Amino acid sequence: DAKTTQPPSMDCAEGRAANLPCNHSTISGNEYVYWYRQIHSQGPQYIIHGLKNNETNEMASLIITEDRKSSTLILPHATLRDTAVYYCIVRGFAGGTSYGKLTFGQGTILTVHP
Amino acid sequence: GAGVSQSPRYKVTKRGQDVALRCDPISGHVSLYWYRQALGQGPEFLTYFNYEAQQDKSGLPNDRFSAERPEGSISTLTIQRTEQRDSAMYRCASSLSGVGEGNTEAFFGQGTRLTVV
Repeated sequence: DAKTTQPPSMDCAEGRAANLPCNHSTISGNEYVYWYRQIHSQGPQYIIHGLKNNETNEMASLIITEDRKSSTLILPHATLRDTAVYYCIVRGFAGGTSYGKLTFGQGTILTVHP
Repeated sequence: GAGVSQSPRYKVTKRGQDVALRCDPISGHVSLYWYRQALGQGPEFLTYFNYEAQQDKSGLPNDRFSAERPEGSISTLTIQRTEQRDSAMYRCASSLSGVGEGNTEAFFGQGTRLTVV
């Protein structure tokens, strides 16, 4: 599986943008980048995913570099409720060892403070 | 149902007993996944199904663990002869489709907290 590397923790002030980086230098052409988050003891929650173009939805924006070796999840106006563990995952859509399943790493603990 | 439902929410069992954990996915979802999560760790993949077919069971730790989804809907994860190291949160997820270019997100249930004493 393509591996991802994320910083173990980050802080962000409430109301400011949170930019969470992820390195996935071994990503292959048929793998998407997915982001999930897990708040306290709840189940992981889908945020966004992308292949090579930047993506935006109501929760966040995903910026993928042109070479696809890294990406950044942006929470434009972080709130206290965004405090969570954020997981960056690469997932294949056709063939390959990461086909189908989501493989979670350690993620980044994001703490939003007042 | 509105979301992925797992039962029981909590299970305490004695070492050596068998346990069966149930997952009821979102209606119509093709793919179903089982994960295990230890405290302070990310979810660890166990196995997944498309319809009733078990596509990947590479994450099952040993032959005491098995899963089935006989009618392509409800799934059961069974752990035989439980050991203390099996204690963890077991999470189920489902997605409308797990394959192909139109991958959609996986929705997770609240999990079953298993404690082996």
